[in-house]
Amino acid sequence: EAQVTQNPRYLITVTGKKLTVTCSQNMNHEYMSWYRQDPGLGLRQIYYSMNVEVTDKGDVPEGYKVSRKEKRNFPLILESPSPNQTSLYFCASSPIRQGAKSSYGYTFGSGTRLTVV
Amino acid sequence: AQSVTQPDIHITVSEGASLELRCNYSYGATPYLFWYVQSPGQGLQLLLKYFSGDTLVQGIKGFEAEFKRSQSSFNLRKPSVHWSDAAEYFCAVGPTAGYSTLTFGKGTMLLVSP
Repeated sequence: EAQVTQNPRYLITVTGKKLTVTCSQNMNHEYMSWYRQDPGLGLRQIYYSMNVEVTDKGDVPEGYKVSRKEKRNFPLILESPSPNQTSLYFCASSPIRQGAKSSYGYTFGSGTRLTVV
Repeated sequence: AQSVTQPDIHITVSEGASLELRCNYSYGATPYLFWYVQSPGQGLQLLLKYFSGDTLVQGIKGFEAEFKRSQSSFNLRKPSVHWSDAAEYFCAVGPTAGYSTLTFGKGTMLLVSP
């Protein structure tokens, strides 16, 4: 089954304790992205990657890191989490438009609800 | 820069009634347009998308959307709402040049009353 898998689904952590949220897709998509979702603010992009070793900042990158060492994986790293990073996080992937217009559009993971206390 | 406006934060519709969710976009040309649905506790699922051609697009679960260039709109419709349609709906726009980054509206929460 074509899917984007995020882990964990739920995470409670303490301020300053480094954590990683994993994201993996099995569709051979070039493009991957992380969003956070907060009430009243909708989805805001954190980082995105257009291919292996190619990443760029989205709208709200502060406090986050990413890496793209393999095409299928795109982990989100919080080096020193703070309470304002409490949110619902989504990973998404998509083929690059030029190569696959008919399938262009995001496939989302099920989300990771992070609480930082 | 591209942007998406969903003017209604909440909408309540009676079961069996028709539904229209509004979406307006700002973009320099005709963009790619999408509607996603998020059920409680779930990720976002693609309902339908518009690239070009026929301005009336059919999607899953009985939804359709109409692209109106003159109004910069892409409104989502369903003729008869079911209780299971209660969810949050997001409109998104993507550029026709460059890569795949989508910009999302802030969402419309649909409540279905008996």
